[in-house]
Amino acid sequence: GENVEQHPSTLSVQEGDSAVIKCTYSDSASNYFPWYKQELGKRPQLIIDIRSNVGEKKDQRIAVTLNKTAKHFSLHITETQPEDSAVYFCASSTGTASKLTFGTGTRLQVTL
Amino acid sequence: GAVVSQHPSWVICKSGTSVKIECRSLDFQATTMFWYRQFPKQSLMLMATSNEGSKATYEQGVEKDKFLINHASLTLSTLTVTSAHPEDSSFYICSARDHSPTGRLNEQFFGPGTRLTVL
Repeated sequence: GENVEQHPSTLSVQEGDSAVIKCTYSDSASNYFPWYKQELGKRPQLIIDIRSNVGEKKDQRIAVTLNKTAKHFSLHITETQPEDSAVYFCASSTGTASKLTFGTGTRLQVTL
Repeated sequence: GAVVSQHPSWVICKSGTSVKIECRSLDFQATTMFWYRQFPKQSLMLMATSNEGSKATYEQGVEKDKFLINHASLTLSTLTVTSAHPEDSSFYICSARDHSPTGRLNEQFFGPGTRLTVL
């Protein structure tokens, strides 16, 4: 089955700096790659996603890049703010089953 | 739109009892729902895929007789943890896909989760 690795497990940045989280996946048939933000005790919230026919997608301070050849995708957050502090999960799925395989998570801490 | 609710939000029970958790899609029909379990400081692990009108598909290592799933309508799936034990204490989260023509392919909408504590 699909395996998703995520790095780093923790990331501390100063407010205003950029943060980058990277994931690799194993199943070449995967074609949907969402990123979720989860605050303590809350549900995962979709912050951005990308499909396999696109190499990059941006939404204000958040961007995601996808390299299908290398089977990895990355989340980029620019101009980080304290409210960006949370755990971020990457995930992948294939078109038919649609079940998500999650990465191990990255705890992002944005310090003042 | 695309709201998923769960009930209860938290439950405490004694070891050996059964607990039922409900997952509802409030404003869309979901032929497929998913159940996840999340232990503290860990990732979400898919337990099973719930299919309306048919048997659920369980992931490897998940006991189907212990975690009973029923998806009797297009808006409701239930997870029953039978004979719960302390090791079943966890955060259980459901999600649902919007299969309508306006729904985004693959996107899942998550419920708020249910925290189960077994004493």
